[in-house]
Order: sequence, then C-alpha cells, then structure tokens
Amino acid sequence: EAGVVQSPRYKIIEKKQPVAFWCNPISGHNTLYWYLQNLGQGPELLIRYENEEAVDDSQLPKDRFSAERLKGVDSTLKIQPAELGDSAVYLCASSASGDGTGELFFGEGSRLTVL
Amino acid sequence: GDSVTQMEGPVTLSEEAFLTINCTYTATGYPSLFWYVQYPGEGLQLLLKATKADDKGSNKGFEATYRKETTSFHLEKGSVQVSDSAVYFCALGNQGGKLIFGQGTELSVKP
Repeated sequence: EAGVVQSPRYKIIEKKQPVAFWCNPISGHNTLYWYLQNLGQGPELLIRYENEEAVDDSQLPKDRFSAERLKGVDSTLKIQPAELGDSAVYLCASSASGDGTGELFFGEGSRLTVL
Repeated sequence: GDSVTQMEGPVTLSEEAFLTINCTYTATGYPSLFWYVQYPGEGLQLLLKATKADDKGSNKGFEATYRKETTSFHLEKGSVQVSDSAVYFCALGNQGGKLIFGQGTELSVKP
C-alpha cells in the first residue's frame, strides 16, 4: 500500500516568491493534516481537513498561507509571498479517523528554504 | 490549552543501556497518548499508543504507560540498540481531534 506522498521534497526560493506543496494521502483516509516543523521542534498543526472541509485552520496564517483539498483527496498548501521565517519542513499526514485516537501516517515532508 | 512537555535532548547512551524519555501532558478531558519516532532521513511514524488511563502501549521493545494521576507517558526500553538512534516525539490526541506534539528528544546510541 502506498504511503502519504508529498512533493517537492526540497524547494529553495527567494523571499516574496510564491511556493506550493502537494500531498496525496493514503487511499480511503478522510482526514488530512498539514503540519509545520521548525528545526529542533515538534510538528505544529496548520490545518486539518475532514474530506474537503477544513475543520481546524486556527493556526494557519491566512494572510499568506492558503490550502485546499478539492474532491476530498489530494491537497495543496500555498505560501504567497514567502518570508525568511517560513523556512521549515512542511509535513502532510492522513488518518482513517479524525477523532484524536487513531494513527497518523506522515509523508517525508517538503523542506522549504527561503533566501 | 492542551500541551506536551518532553525531556530535552540530546540523550546519548551506550548500546544495551536502559532508556527513559520523560513526557508529561496538560489536557482537558481524556486524551489519547502517542509516541512517534523519526529515524534519520525518514518520515514520522507511530511507535506506540495508549487510549485510556493505565493502558500500556508497547512495540519493538519500547513501552509506555498512560498515568492519569501524574499526567505522564514516559517512554522506556530495557536495552537500546544503535538502530534505535532517532528523534522521539510524545503527542496527545484531544477530543477535538487535534494531535499535539512535544518538542522531540534526540537519542543517540553508541556501540
């Protein structure tokens, strides 16, 4: 069974440029998460989807970040414009259940460097 | 709000040493508790979990017991191996469906 797939694995951009990350969750997983992981820190939730609905986006900086999950499968996270402080690893995860008891399956992450 | 606090790393041990990584939490209600592991160059993966008080999660020789009275979920292993070198994250899943992570503890095991 294929795991969570993310792309690109690495991205280097200049500040003020836009960037987008793509995630394909495990087939059949209704819940999809985007996490931000700074160096030496634990992941922090940006947004959680149940199917195509964003049920928790309270930590998403909406002035520059946006996300979508069309048709309740793949998801895209966008940053426009990027700032130096956005350099981090962006993790996508999916789970069969979004009730807080189930296992999350993570992708390998997209590492962003903003110059 | 809900939070998780782990002991700071890095932790360096010799092979076959006993491992404890402390984790305490603050939460309303009755969260589920998890340990995730991130091996070098790999994504985060679930190591073990416990969903209610006094439950013990175990996997690959690691174990952790959900202690409601001390709000703790310490990770232990009796004899570590070089292959256990990784970053370990304690996490809680609250009743709102949110998974909250600690800051991670890096473990390095020397032969």
